[in-house]
Amino acid sequence: DTEVTQTPKHLVMGMTNKKSLKCEQHMGHRAMYWYKQKAKKPPELMFVYSYEKLSINESVPSRFSPECPNSSLLNLHLHALQPEDSALYLCASSQVEIGFNEKLFFGSGTQLSVL
Amino acid sequence: AQKITQTQPGMFVQEKEAVTLDCTYDTSDQSYGLFWYKQPSSGEMIFLIYQGSYDEQNATEGRYSLNFQKARKSANLVISASQLGDSAMYFCAMRELSGSARQLTFGSGTQLTVLP
Repeated sequence: DTEVTQTPKHLVMGMTNKKSLKCEQHMGHRAMYWYKQKAKKPPELMFVYSYEKLSINESVPSRFSPECPNSSLLNLHLHALQPEDSALYLCASSQVEIGFNEKLFFGSGTQLSVL
Repeated sequence: AQKITQTQPGMFVQEKEAVTLDCTYDTSDQSYGLFWYKQPSSGEMIFLIYQGSYDEQNATEGRYSLNFQKARKSANLVISASQLGDSAMYFCAMRELSGSARQLTFGSGTQLTVLP
């Protein structure tokens, strides 16, 4: 079982809706990530939080708004999405390491459909 | 140019046999890390194995081993004694010194199917 928990597992929303994706980890990790993954494609990095501060924003449209309320929680607020935003959204966490062997632990994802 | 290349979109292997999934990478850094992740149909990405560029020994984790050939810039994953539960998408990934410390670059993936 994954130690990174994402809710909900599935979400269908209209283009005018506001919804939030949630991610929680209790491994004491201080880096948390949002990835977007289209079917049969590799994950694409969206945001990285390091010590609860946003450290990477990969030019993601403003209709996606991340939030890291504390070291265990990560949210992704969604507003006015487009059908092309339909994808699997993966959360991950990692222990902040010096070096290259920082392993990411992923959740099972939220499958988002925008109608 | 692609940083990580996985040339096998799909692979089939008979149960209990070994299979090699190919991965080549492109970097001008001397220090970097290479990873393999497994993604079953359930969606979760599962860490399998890690190889550092300065590690002299090939990494092994149970039935997984990484065939690291630095001069060829290849980091192939070898799965021994395949099981039906090994059927999944497999991604090779790299972290470089010159990139963001938190960023992994993923390859396009290989869909492995284990046949009974």
